Amino acid sequence: KNQVEQSPQSLIILEGKNCTLQCNYTVSPFSNLRWYKQDTGRGPVSLTIMTFSENTKSNGRYTATLDADTKQSSLHITASQLSDSASYICVVRGGYDNRKLIWGLGTSLAVNP
Amino acid sequence: NAGVTQTPKFQVLKTGQSMTLQCAQDMNHNSMYWYRQDPGMGLRLIYYSASEGTTDKGEVPNGYNVSRLNKREFSLRLESAAPSQTSVYFCASIRVTVGEFERNQPQHFGDGTRLSIL
Repeated sequence: KNQVEQSPQSLIILEGKNCTLQCNYTVSPFSNLRWYKQDTGRGPVSLTIMTFSENTKSNGRYTATLDADTKQSSLHITASQLSDSASYICVVRGGYDNRKLIWGLGTSLAVNP
Repeated sequence: NAGVTQTPKFQVLKTGQSMTLQCAQDMNHNSMYWYRQDPGMGLRLIYYSASEGTTDKGEVPNGYNVSRLNKREFSLRLESAAPSQTSVYFCASIRVTVGEFERNQPQHFGDGTRLSIL
């Protein structure tokens, strides 16, 4: 069964600290992996999209890694800010028709002052 | 530049009522999507439209109909609302240009319609 699992479910950190969010998937065949940020009451916003051949991709203070062999990805946030408080959702595109997006449940991050 | 605009933002319905959720994008995108987001579940695709004049079922289409009115607008209709359709509904769109693959393009989302059915 195609699945995307994220950990931790929730996380609280202090402003200025770094953190890493995890994503494990069982989607096959694999097309790409996406990280979205969703602020409370807003729609998801794309942070990165990584294909099979990419193992690191950065977007400002956000750095995503992908290990296609172990089917794991991580999102590292550097020097966190209060505005980073949001849900971070891992999404994998794949399946035999290559059209299906399998959404994780997200990690809820709270950055406290 | 508004991006993806959804209306209304909030709505309360009684069981059996009908309503249409509106979505419009001003980014000249080809493909548009409707999702629902429920607690404890990832986003689930209801319907999508790869281009003007075409629509296809997603993962959870039962109880819904869609219309791709033109390139900008994609509406979602609940003909007879049920409490199980209480959810947050998101519309999204993707730009696809010559030389690019749709599968590698990010979806741009609206801010959702929060729908409660009593």
